[in-house]
Amino acid sequence: ETGVTQSPTHLIKTRGQQVTLRCSSQSGHNTVSWYQQALGQGPQFIFQYYREEENGRGNFPPRFSGLQFPNYSSELNVNALELDDSALYLCASSQAALSTDTQYFGPGTRLTVL
Amino acid sequence: KQEVTQIPAALSVPEGENLVLNCSFTDSAIYNLQWFRQDPGKGLTSLLLIQSSQREQTSGRLNASLDKSSGRSTLYIAASQPGDSATYLCAGSGSARQLTFGSGTQLTVLP
Repeated sequence: ETGVTQSPTHLIKTRGQQVTLRCSSQSGHNTVSWYQQALGQGPQFIFQYYREEENGRGNFPPRFSGLQFPNYSSELNVNALELDDSALYLCASSQAALSTDTQYFGPGTRLTVL
Repeated sequence: KQEVTQIPAALSVPEGENLVLNCSFTDSAIYNLQWFRQDPGKGLTSLLLIQSSQREQTSGRLNASLDKSSGRSTLYIAASQPGDSATYLCAGSGSARQLTFGSGTQLTVLP
């Protein structure tokens, strides 16, 4: 069974640029959630995708957008990068149909905005 | 809006000691409560998940409890080892299955 994978591992961008982060779900999972974790803080929920549709969104501006593909992999896009966007971005997959709802996290993408 | 608090923010104990990490949440309409471990600069590893209908879960030296009426969960670690050093995060899940995290407890187990 393949776990959750994310790419790239690290990324450096400058303010105002755009970035795309990618996530491959664990096999058999149809739900992907994205989180932002600033240094020393717990992860903050960005949004969730279930069967290619957005299924909930946290308190993040519209310049944070996402996609989920038919194979349930996902992308997080951030436009007009700001310095405060520097963080570890985590994706998590789960089987929405199961009551256990355990979310399995990937290793994260470290984004640095200069 | 669910808010999750973890106390203490940091904890240092000698090897072999039993310890308890605390987590409190404001909304008792919680779907489940999950404990994670995070090593520096890494992703999250799920340790235990407690469904809202359950009171506790055990895995090896770890035991997690959930008291919805008081809005509290605890993670008990028995016979701590240096390899247990990490940040421990608790997270509550509502019906939307999005997780609300605390800021974590950074645990250091001294040899």
